[in-house]
Amino acid sequence: AQKITQTQPGMFVQEKEAVTLDCTYDTSDQSYGLFWYKQPSSGEMIFLIYQGSYDEQNATEGRYSLNFQKARKSANLVISASQLGDSAMYFCAMREPNNAGNMLTFGGGTRLMVKP
Amino acid sequence: GAVVSQHPSRVICKSGTSVKIECRSLDFQATTMFWYRQFPKQSLMLMATSNEGSKATYEQGVEKDKFLINHASLTLSTLTVTSAHPEDSSFYICSARDTLRERLFFGSGTQLSVL
Repeated sequence: AQKITQTQPGMFVQEKEAVTLDCTYDTSDQSYGLFWYKQPSSGEMIFLIYQGSYDEQNATEGRYSLNFQKARKSANLVISASQLGDSAMYFCAMREPNNAGNMLTFGGGTRLMVKP
Repeated sequence: GAVVSQHPSRVICKSGTSVKIECRSLDFQATTMFWYRQFPKQSLMLMATSNEGSKATYEQGVEKDKFLINHASLTLSTLTVTSAHPEDSSFYICSARDTLRERLFFGSGTQLSVL
């Protein structure tokens, strides 16, 4: 079964509008971390935001916020006031501690395209 | 289940030794694989692009002789950290491009600790 699911392979958003990128996860661990990365065409993975499973507040970083709904196992990324430079691939990832180390599992990604 | 297998998930080695990390695509052929290194601020830095049957393309600042990449088959790429030093301790992750499904799949990463 998929551990991280991103159901939107591609999304369009009008410049200056907000957009939500979906991410659901599956884990039996109580302690885990959720990440969002942006991948521009250069290939680098740019860290955007992190949410710990025990964090009570939703994480926010500038125009990025994470809508963390623990009971529903979802960690959607909200980008406010979209900019043309936001066009990129976005990946949701989960880190789970296990016997072999901190494994990082990625979703399939969502391609966001910002329209002028 | 995982479509990209990365092994080992954790390795501890002595300074001066070499460590090989494998990245396998399990149910597709990957002509292109990528190797990343994660830094403390969480960003994953692209180290190199591995192309099957040809030399890897290294990003600026990445030492080719230190991080040897071999992509000898359509399902396997290896990263060898040669003469490892404590500053090479990091989390390394690979990804493989499935051109048919137009998707990028990630391995689960390797935590390297050099003593």
